[in-house]
Amino acid sequence: NAGVMQNPRHLVRRRGQEARLRCSPMKGHSHVYWYRQLPEEGLKFMVYLQKENIIDESGMPKERFSAEFPKEGPSILRIQQVVRGDSAAYFCASSPQREGSGSPLHFGNGTRLTVT
Amino acid sequence: DQQVKQNSPSLSVQEGRISILNCDYTNSMFDYFLWYKKYPAEGPTFLISISSIKDKNEDGRFTVFLNKSAKHLSLHIVPSQPGDSAVYFCAASDGGATNKLIFGTGTLLAVQP
Repeated sequence: NAGVMQNPRHLVRRRGQEARLRCSPMKGHSHVYWYRQLPEEGLKFMVYLQKENIIDESGMPKERFSAEFPKEGPSILRIQQVVRGDSAAYFCASSPQREGSGSPLHFGNGTRLTVT
Repeated sequence: DQQVKQNSPSLSVQEGRISILNCDYTNSMFDYFLWYKKYPAEGPTFLISISSIKDKNEDGRFTVFLNKSAKHLSLHIVPSQPGDSAVYFCAASDGGATNKLIFGTGTLLAVQP
């Protein structure tokens, strides 16, 4: 999965702390997607962003979760006041600017969040 | 509501034989389908895709078949190799402007040497 860079690879937080996950898309890609994979489940869509805009956040929990993709720098997924149920693998994907559907998303290697 | 379903959590196949992974979907608006392969501790890697205007797409050892009337697609791997052992995810998109992918729960393929 060369190109989409996520850090950190592993993140341990205690309940109530904040978690910040970073994603740098592939070069030339201006669309970023965040997915979450809970144990024994598939990937669930969370949010889709373009530079400085949230386009679709229909998969984001209503509270404690936020995402941004600033003009400069990586996309950030922020989880405030983490709970044990937030423990999961969080994957970022990117795609080039395009019209309509029909192009695959390119995924990073994920951040594994563990809440203790 | 699971719009993309992979009903077989696991599959075991002998090296050299054919692997067939199945996927069903419920949303008739889906018009683009993909298969991803995932190794432990890595992100999903794109394998092959198919548009709803086709019923077959082939790339080397990998072939995807789409049956729109049955809302079913399958991935054939032939011949299977031990390096193919991984979790395979089926995904679908409804052609909206977001290109958001809906994933199945995955099938763990084990290719025995």
